[in-house]
Amino acid sequence: DTEVTQTPKHLVMGMTNKKSLKCEQHMGHRAMYWYKQKAKKPPELMFVYSYEKLSINESVPSRFSPECPNSSLLNLHLHALQPEDSALYLCASSQEGRGVAEKLFFGSGTQLSVL
Amino acid sequence: GDSVTQMEGPVTLSEEAFLTINCTYTATGYPSLFWYVQYPGEGLQLLLKATKADDKGSNKGFEATYRKETTSFHLEKGSVQVSDSAVYFCALSQLNAGGTSYGKLTFGQGTILTVHP
Repeated sequence: DTEVTQTPKHLVMGMTNKKSLKCEQHMGHRAMYWYKQKAKKPPELMFVYSYEKLSINESVPSRFSPECPNSSLLNLHLHALQPEDSALYLCASSQEGRGVAEKLFFGSGTQLSVL
Repeated sequence: GDSVTQMEGPVTLSEEAFLTINCTYTATGYPSLFWYVQYPGEGLQLLLKATKADDKGSNKGFEATYRKETTSFHLEKGSVQVSDSAVYFCALSQLNAGGTSYGKLTFGQGTILTVHP
């Protein structure tokens, strides 16, 4: 199994809603990531988890709250989002490379629209 | 900081034409270099990578050579197909001070490729 599975594929939410994005992988990868991608732009890193601990937070607003319940699962909790947060949210995973940068496996993403 | 510059798109080619997408980078140290491809409605897939100078990455007919002297990693394919239509991202990744990689990719802006029959 070389897949990263993200649910839901599409999500529409109001600015007062609370929702969660989910990501799952069964490749034994110990590093997992959230990226945000606006239309016609490259992905931007949001968070990195290594061995279920948050390693990198790229100064993301607190209305985005990541969670890594175990080595296979990664969640992104959303609350009080703004319309400008509408984007494709990509989850990725990788081995934690030792001495070499490892390739990332990306999910298909959740297309989020905030009304 | 690190940066990646890709040629402006979109690029439109006829089937079986030769493809070049230019990519140059600015980075301290010795980054690893990648080409990722994104098909419509999907996430990114690794196309090829190179981890040190003069390495050549290749996959599915695509090739790119890590040129440290010109800080470049240009993507080439000798004969494109309609199925190659996608967005192509050049990216680099650095190791952290501990010698491990956290997968923090620095992407170029992406190049949209459209191949017509």
